[in-house]
Amino acid sequence: EIVMTQSPATLSVSPGERAILSCRASQSANSNLAWYQQNPGQAPRLLIYGASTRATGIPARFSGSGSGTEFTLTIDSLQSEDLAVYYCQQYHKWPRTFGQGTKVEIK
Amino acid sequence: EVQLVESGGGLVQPGGSLRLSCASSGFSFSNYWMSWVRQAPGKGLEWVANINQGGTEKYYVDSVKGRFTISRDNAKNSLILQMDSLRVEDTAVYYCAKDNHYSDSSAYYYYFEYWGQGTLVTVSS
Repeated sequence: EIVMTQSPATLSVSPGERAILSCRASQSANSNLAWYQQNPGQAPRLLIYGASTRATGIPARFSGSGSGTEFTLTIDSLQSEDLAVYYCQQYHKWPRTFGQGTKVEIK
Repeated sequence: EVQLVESGGGLVQPGGSLRLSCASSGFSFSNYWMSWVRQAPGKGLEWVANINQGGTEKYYVDSVKGRFTISRDNAKNSLILQMDSLRVEDTAVYYCAKDNHYSDSSAYYYYFEYWGQGTLVTVSS
């Protein structure tokens, strides 16, 4: 199976600043990668699929990039409601696998 | 608006059984693959099982094969997860998810488009 590794485990960012989250796949996932946001006590929500396509209703400050084994989620102008754990997930090969998550804290 | 509402969670002893349900609305349920994803307390996400539109294709993570059964009732817009021979390590919030997909020349690629709020399953003596 494809193992997904996210870094850093925790990211502390001031409001209005940029957050950059990384995700690495143990083998190529092409562009078949999604990002999910999980706010405290809530269900995950799809942010990005196809490595760079924003899901319906997702603000433009969220952007995804990368392909193959290296992927990035960028959150521009961080807002307080962006406090969450962010997961990457590959769906290039079965089983679909998730990274362990990056927790974004508001500084 | 897509809505997915899970039910059926609770406390069960090791070796016991539980049946989870997911009621859906806001989309044409019979046209989509559906999945169950779980999250152990304080841990990350793990795909558990999925099922195709007609219920003829079913896939499971290795750790639940032979113990869990996924099914669907398209007439009732509902997804089911029958969990037997439960173990302590099955303790988790179980989420129902609607899949979406795209394709290229070689395959289809499925991601989790919408999620329910989850139902907690606790396996403990």
